[in-house]
Amino acid sequence: SAVISQKPSRDICQRGTSLTIQCQVDSQVTMMFWYRQQPGQSLTLIATANQGSEATYESGFVIDKFPISRPNLTFSTLTVSNMSPEDSSIYLCSVEDGDRAHNEQFFGPGTRLTVL
Amino acid sequence: AQSVAQPEDQVNVAEGNPLTVKCTYSVSGNPYLFWYVQYPNRGLQFLLKYITGDNLVKGSYGFEAEFNKSQTSFHLKKPSALVSDSALYFCAGTSGAGSYQLTFGKGTKLSVIP
Repeated sequence: SAVISQKPSRDICQRGTSLTIQCQVDSQVTMMFWYRQQPGQSLTLIATANQGSEATYESGFVIDKFPISRPNLTFSTLTVSNMSPEDSSIYLCSVEDGDRAHNEQFFGPGTRLTVL
Repeated sequence: AQSVAQPEDQVNVAEGNPLTVKCTYSVSGNPYLFWYVQYPNRGLQFLLKYITGDNLVKGSYGFEAEFNKSQTSFHLKKPSALVSDSALYFCAGTSGAGSYQLTFGKGTKLSVIP
């Protein structure tokens, strides 16, 4: 299975600022995903990031608020822009297993964001 | 729209007793179903999956799950609970091959009491 790291592991930010979260995978993967886990809640998919194309955002999430980069097959970034306290969450990246037919996803350790 | 339900916010079980964490699904087509575990301050770890075939699926750490199509359930089970099993468990599903959009349940907190 893929080994995924995220930076930073946690951060405390001021309202109105932006934070970029990095996700690094130890192998080349086609599909990477970004999720949000709000306090006490389940995971919600923000967007899907494929290398060489624009990210696909889920309902309720927009590129201006959560711009994503996917410059190569092992790396992606998610930016949380113009933050408010409501953005305080754990943000997780995940990748799909090499065998796409099985849809198994592996998750990074998450970035715990607190917005004051 | 597909959905995954975990009816219990919390499950308490004594160490050594069998445990069950419940999950029901509403997914179009032939569902692919997964269980993940989240330990405090850590990311999600994959436990097991059902794709097709035998309804009883065995996974990591002695966990297993039974796919029941008639009841649209995929309950997670373990014959003898350990204190170290205490964590947050998520059931997730997708509508089969070619679909990558995982829908997660809200999670169930399992507490194993020594």
